[in-house]
Amino acid sequence: EAGVTQFPSHSVIEKGQTVTLRCDPISGHDNLYWYRRVMGKEIKFLLHFVKESKQDESGMPNNRFLAERTGGTYSTLKVQPAELEDSGVYFCASSQDRTQGAWANEKLFFGSGTQLSVL
Amino acid sequence: DQQVKQNSPSLSVQEGRISILNCDYTNSMFDYFLWYKKYPAEGPTFLISISSIKDKNEDGRFTVFLNKSAKHLSLHIVPSQPGDSAVYFCAASALSGFSQKLVFGQGTRLTINP
Repeated sequence: EAGVTQFPSHSVIEKGQTVTLRCDPISGHDNLYWYRRVMGKEIKFLLHFVKESKQDESGMPNNRFLAERTGGTYSTLKVQPAELEDSGVYFCASSQDRTQGAWANEKLFFGSGTQLSVL
Repeated sequence: DQQVKQNSPSLSVQEGRISILNCDYTNSMFDYFLWYKKYPAEGPTFLISISSIKDKNEDGRFTVFLNKSAKHLSLHIVPSQPGDSAVYFCAASALSGFSQKLVFGQGTRLTINP
């Protein structure tokens, strides 16, 4: 079974440009999360989708970030316009519906991340 | 304001010995804790977890201890093996609604020396 897939794996853009990151979750996973790790610091939550609905977007830094999950399958995260401080590794993660399983058994499955460098 | 802290950026341990990674948290609402392991160019992978109703959980060579009064948890790896060399992240969650939002620490780079 395929894991969480993210692309591109690396993106180098100039300040002011637009970048779109894509995440394909594990098939059948209703929950999809975006996280970000900046400059070797902690991994920070950005937002959470349940199917196509945004459940929690409290971690989104500002309105330059736009996440979508049309049809409840793959998700995109667009940064427009990109700023220097947006550089970091963007991780996507997915999990099954927690209401159907014991919390103790539920885990997040992470993708390999997209390394974004804004110059 | 960082709610989950891993104060040791790095740790070096000899193969076969015990590795102890520490994590402190400040939010009393956290009731579920996890450890993730991350290799270079890969995403974090789940290692072990513990609910706040327990103080210990063991899985093979890995044991997590939780001290709620001190708001401290630790991960013990024994015996340590070269393949354990990775960055380890402590994470915490509060069960609020449907969100599985995790709050991570900064990570500790563990190096196992032969």
